[in-house]
Amino acid sequence: GAGVSQSPSNKVTEKGKDVELRCDPISGHTALYWYRQRLGQGLEFLIYFQGNSAPDKSGLPSDRFSAERTGESVSTLTIQRTQQEDSAVYLCASRFSGWGTDTQYFGPGTRLTVL
Amino acid sequence: GENVEQHPSTLSVQEGDSAVIKCTYSDSASNYFPWYKQELGKRPQLIIDIRSNVGEKKDQRIAVTLNKTAKHFSLHITETQPEDSAVYFCAARPADSSYKLIFGSGTRLLVRP
Repeated sequence: GAGVSQSPSNKVTEKGKDVELRCDPISGHTALYWYRQRLGQGLEFLIYFQGNSAPDKSGLPSDRFSAERTGESVSTLTIQRTQQEDSAVYLCASRFSGWGTDTQYFGPGTRLTVL
Repeated sequence: GENVEQHPSTLSVQEGDSAVIKCTYSDSASNYFPWYKQELGKRPQLIIDIRSNVGEKKDQRIAVTLNKTAKHFSLHITETQPEDSAVYFCAARPADSSYKLIFGSGTRLLVRP
């Protein structure tokens, strides 16, 4: 079946502009994560959604970052007033919630470049 | 909170040799330790994982060992092949979360033909 998809694959923007990144999880996966991956670094947790529960926003680096998800469907990550340090690959992952199901399935990422 | 350190940052081996990547974690109650492989330009994929009630797990040429006392776990790849070349990330799930993973900084493995 279809895996996690993300769009756009690449985004170049000017400093100060807002950007919106999209993630389509695997159908039936109730859990959804956003990560940031800076060049040569590990995956930095940003936010977690689980069904209709309140999201865990503890990883969002500033109030310029926000994310939404409606039910168990698409999620969008919005970065307002982008800064050069926001340049990174933004990865989305989804997971089926159930006993023993820990595997996160990643999307291909969105490479964001802020000029 | 949990902190995961990964070593080495880069590793170059000859095809057929073994490769070992080590990670240490800070939260002694962490209970789940996955390893993800990310080939160049591709998405991370789970290759093996281990839970805190197990000391070792194998899957063909790859194995993971866990030492809870020392708070470290390692990925072992035997008979390396060029297609093993990738960045490998370890992660740990802290005890206070049923869903969050804390990732290491990654190891770039190069297998020389």
